[in-house]
Amino acid sequence: EVQLVESGGGLVQPGRSLRLSCAASGFTFDDYAMHWVRQAPGKGLEWVSGISWNGGSTAYADSVKGRFTISRDNARNSLYLQMNSLRAEDTASYYCAKSSAAFGLDYWGQGNLVTVSS
Amino acid sequence: QSVLTQPPSASGTPGQRVTISCSGSSSNIGSNHVYWYQQLPGTAPKLLIYKNTQRPSGVPDRFSGSKSGTSASLAISGLRSEDEADYYCAAWEDSLSGLNWVFGGGTKLTVL
Repeated sequence: EVQLVESGGGLVQPGRSLRLSCAASGFTFDDYAMHWVRQAPGKGLEWVSGISWNGGSTAYADSVKGRFTISRDNARNSLYLQMNSLRAEDTASYYCAKSSAAFGLDYWGQGNLVTVSS
Repeated sequence: QSVLTQPPSASGTPGQRVTISCSGSSSNIGSNHVYWYQQLPGTAPKLLIYKNTQRPSGVPDRFSGSKSGTSASLAISGLRSEDEADYYCAAWEDSLSGLNWVFGGGTKLTVL
């Protein structure tokens, strides 16, 4: 059974940093690209960042480019999102999602809330 | 402002058929597959339709998808109370990395 479990969220002050993690199991992690998608309270889904199976290629939404860094450790079956210079508008639940060419974003974690506030 | 355009709300009575539209451009829907996600209150999104028209195992055949040009639609027939949820369309956006996704703003479906 595919499982994606996010951790590392919480309350952080504007301008500070936070690192999210996503622990994957139930599939061959290094076969798939992975993504982060966020959802502000009461709002829709926003793609944040994606990383290829081997980490060789990454992409970011314009809203986070230059502040967020996606990475992965295939030996640990883990995905990460380093978030720097956080802003109030980054407040959201952050989901990690598995991606496949066949099924798109086919499995999602339960989400992890990040609140940016003083 | 979401890249893909969906109506913010839709509604129907039990047993009815409802459709939700999704409009994009040549760089996303026009050149890539469309995916639909269902998000029940307080839960993570769940894949409902992939590659425009395909249903993952376990998704009832009451749900169907279609695509034409730069637009797509999700149809739900035989509407049931448990279908009340938010629905999102999504597609890959053409990019050098091939990793970029775009979403619609979501449609809140109410079963009257």
